Amino acid sequence: GAGVSQSPSNKVTEKGKDVELRCDPISGHTALYWYRQSLGQGLEFLIYFQGNSAPDKSGLPSDRFSAERTGGSVSTLTIQRTQQEDSAVYLCASSLEGKAFFGQGTRLTVV
Amino acid sequence: GQQLNQSPQSMFIQEGEDVSMNCTSSSIFNTWLWYKQDPGEGPVLLIALYKAGELTSNGRLTAQFGITRKDSFLNISASIPSDVGIYFCATNTGANSKLTFGKGITLSVRP
Repeated sequence: GAGVSQSPSNKVTEKGKDVELRCDPISGHTALYWYRQSLGQGLEFLIYFQGNSAPDKSGLPSDRFSAERTGGSVSTLTIQRTQQEDSAVYLCASSLEGKAFFGQGTRLTVV
Repeated sequence: GQQLNQSPQSMFIQEGEDVSMNCTSSSIFNTWLWYKQDPGEGPVLLIALYKAGELTSNGRLTAQFGITRKDSFLNISASIPSDVGIYFCATNTGANSKLTFGKGITLSVRP
């Protein structure tokens, strides 16, 4: 498709398990963002990739969170040893020339 | 870091009314973007502004890039129920710099 694709759309996991969330950006977009959004709240910045530069990881809430972007395209956000407070919608966006386009998000529920 | 101020957090209007929301910062920016997020969806880009003083319309939406380059406003005219959602402003200092988002304003429209 032409837009940003995220998978899975919903994920229920048990506390303590690891999860991987995937983002397929728009082809040719040089920048990629991950955000977290709790119900009714704003966008909490997690991490930013821009081309071949070192990623801006300043928003990652703990060392349980990590992300990588392989070949400047697909990105994976990994949360290790999930906690209930990790439950949220995780949004990915890709950007070209300063305009970001978002995926539909992955709703993560930790039980 | 850069901060964008959007207030109030929530707005309640009557169908048919016009509404104006603004976004301010203490820093100067080169781009102002406005996004709308419908429930259960990712944010969608509404309007992009690139020059101080620029006024751009998209249907019933009008947005302006402030002369000082430190603010922007979004107007919605003749509101309808489907205007409900969260409206975010976003800025950056250049095409390859990280976008910063405001906390968003939740708009409710009473029929």
